[in-house]
Amino acid sequence: EVQLVQSGAEVKKPGESLRISCRGSGYTFTSYWITWVRQMPGKGLEWLGRIDPADSYTNYSPSLQGHVTISADKSISTAYLQWSSLKASDTAIYYCARHEGIVMVTATPDFWGQGTLVTVSS
Amino acid sequence: EIVLTQSPGTLSLSPGERATLSCRASQSVTMNYLAWYQQKPGQAPRLLIYGASSRATGIPDRFSGSGSGTDFTLTISGLEPEDFAVYYCHQYGTSPWTFGQGTRVEIK
Repeated sequence: EVQLVQSGAEVKKPGESLRISCRGSGYTFTSYWITWVRQMPGKGLEWLGRIDPADSYTNYSPSLQGHVTISADKSISTAYLQWSSLKASDTAIYYCARHEGIVMVTATPDFWGQGTLVTVSS
Repeated sequence: EIVLTQSPGTLSLSPGERATLSCRASQSVTMNYLAWYQQKPGQAPRLLIYGASSRATGIPDRFSGSGSGTDFTLTISGLEPEDFAVYYCHQYGTSPWTFGQGTRVEIK
């Protein structure tokens, strides 16, 4: 069974750093990209960026580039999303999802993690 | 970036009725790489349709997608109680990937 299991909820203060994780199982981790999507409270979905775990190649949304870093450790089938300095506006649920490549009809995410709630408040 | 505009914002319907959801893109979606997702409260999105018209694995055939270029439609042929949710369109043909703002399908 394909599963993406994300790390638990976090409460942080502005300026703090954070790394959340997404562990894949039930499939070959390096055969699928991992994408990260944000959902701010009561709002819609926003694509943040993606990584190919096979070689750690990344793409970022221009609006978020430089504020978040996406990485992966293929030896433990885990992808990460991290911040070096959180802002209150980073408060959101963050989802990881897998997808098959980036230029093909099946490239859209098919399996999603359960989401990680990040709350940033002073 | 490609902006996706969904309409209506909210659709109030009764079980058994037909739902028609629209998604319009600000420019042509590359290769019609347009997907539809369903999201229920407290849950992750669920893939329904990819490539504008292909149903994902395990999705009932009451869900169908159509359209090309800049205009796409998700149709639910007869609403079941579990179909009341928020639906998002998503284009994955051009980076950055983008989502529509969502259509809420609520019980009338």
